[in-house]
Amino acid sequence: GAVVSQHPSRVICKSGTSVKIECRSLDFQATTMFWYRQFPKQSLMLMATSNEGSKATYEQGVEKDKFLINHASLTLSTLTVTSAHPEDSSFYICSAISANYGYTFGSGTRLTVV
Amino acid sequence: AQKVTQAQTEISVVEKEDVTLDCVYETRDTTYYLFWYKQPPSGELVFLIRRNSFDEQNEISGRYSWNFQKSTSSFNFTITASQVVDSAVYFCALVNFGNEKLTFGTGTRLTIIP
Repeated sequence: GAVVSQHPSRVICKSGTSVKIECRSLDFQATTMFWYRQFPKQSLMLMATSNEGSKATYEQGVEKDKFLINHASLTLSTLTVTSAHPEDSSFYICSAISANYGYTFGSGTRLTVV
Repeated sequence: AQKVTQAQTEISVVEKEDVTLDCVYETRDTTYYLFWYKQPPSGELVFLIRRNSFDEQNEISGRYSWNFQKSTSSFNFTITASQVVDSAVYFCALVNFGNEKLTFGTGTRLTIIP
């Protein structure tokens, strides 16, 4: 089946620094990827839709300058949390659409900002 | 706009009991897809089932079964003879045909007591 690899799985960073999270489709090409954020004991909230070769589309209330998304190839999308603060601590999950398998999710990244 | 409601926030059952997780959805579209995902403590989302709006046939996969009823806009999930490994958060989700954005319910945390 389709596999989406997400790295790192856990990251701890200092307040004010930036963190990059990678999402790769391993055995298929993904023109569209999605980034979600999940707070403890809550549902997944869509942050943005990442389109290969074009700017990401952000959901209402998501700061595009803080959460930079780059989808430079058909197999890689990155989310950079810039100038991270403790309130950005969360679980971030990416997903990609494949023709045969529908939505495939990465394993998630647990970000802790100290 | 679409909406998915999972009214049961948390459920606990004793091992080997049957348990049903409820999902009620709202959409104006006539063509849509419904999903169930399992999120174990490790965080990754595990795909369980996809059902399109034209297929109301109930489905059984091992101990899992799904009941799709358009008349009540429900897509309920039953686990028969529950096991401790079934402990997880379960999400119901909806996407309208032609729209790639998944709408998730708030999730049901299922705990199987040994």
